[in-house]
Amino acid sequence: EIVLTQSPATLSLSPGERATLSCRASQSISSYLAWYQQKPGQAPRLLIYDASNRATGIPARFSGSGSGTDFTLTVSSLEPEDFAVYYCQQRSNWLTFGGGTKVEIK
Amino acid sequence: QLQLQESGPGLVKPSETLSLTCTVSHGSISSSNYYWGWIRQTPGKGLEWIGNIDYSGSSYYNPSLRSRVTVSVGTSKNQFSLRLSSVTAADTAVYYCARVSSAYFAINYFDYWGQGTLVTVSS
Repeated sequence: EIVLTQSPATLSLSPGERATLSCRASQSISSYLAWYQQKPGQAPRLLIYDASNRATGIPARFSGSGSGTDFTLTVSSLEPEDFAVYYCQQRSNWLTFGGGTKVEIK
Repeated sequence: QLQLQESGPGLVKPSETLSLTCTVSHGSISSSNYYWGWIRQTPGKGLEWIGNIDYSGSSYYNPSLRSRVTVSVGTSKNQFSLRLSSVTAADTAVYYCARVSSAYFAINYFDYWGQGTLVTVSS
């Protein structure tokens, strides 16, 4: 099983700041990685697929990068609605998810 | 816009079988080439993929759950179901149904999700 490790567990930032989230895979997954956003009481929402492609309707402030084992989700300037939990997911070998990073208001 | 809705008992006894149905609206699983899946979420293990299926019944399961899971297409054209047998307290979770994001791909990301339903395993 491919294990995805997300860091940090919690990120405390202010609106307008840049958020950088990390996801590391236990073995190479090429670019087969997605990022999701989840708010309390809601289902996850697909943000980025195949490491760097924004899903339909996702604002340009969200960007993804990386390949192999190290991936990054960047939110260029945090809006109030961006404070949430973010998960990565790989599809290289079955499907597994990371443990999540909570982006909270500082 | 495609919508998915989970339904089923919110309480299941240990050793029994958990059964959930996902109803798809504003779209048809029978006329599409998409796969449809189940994912669950617990505070302890986070998000866990359970299994995917297409309208023909072609299915794929998480190896760690395969011995206890059956995903099937319902008699209604817009429903698919999950059965998880021999449940324990560790199966207590919010269960989501979702659509796999690219047509013809059995294993991929999920672009449309239901709102989730909490299933508690307790006597």
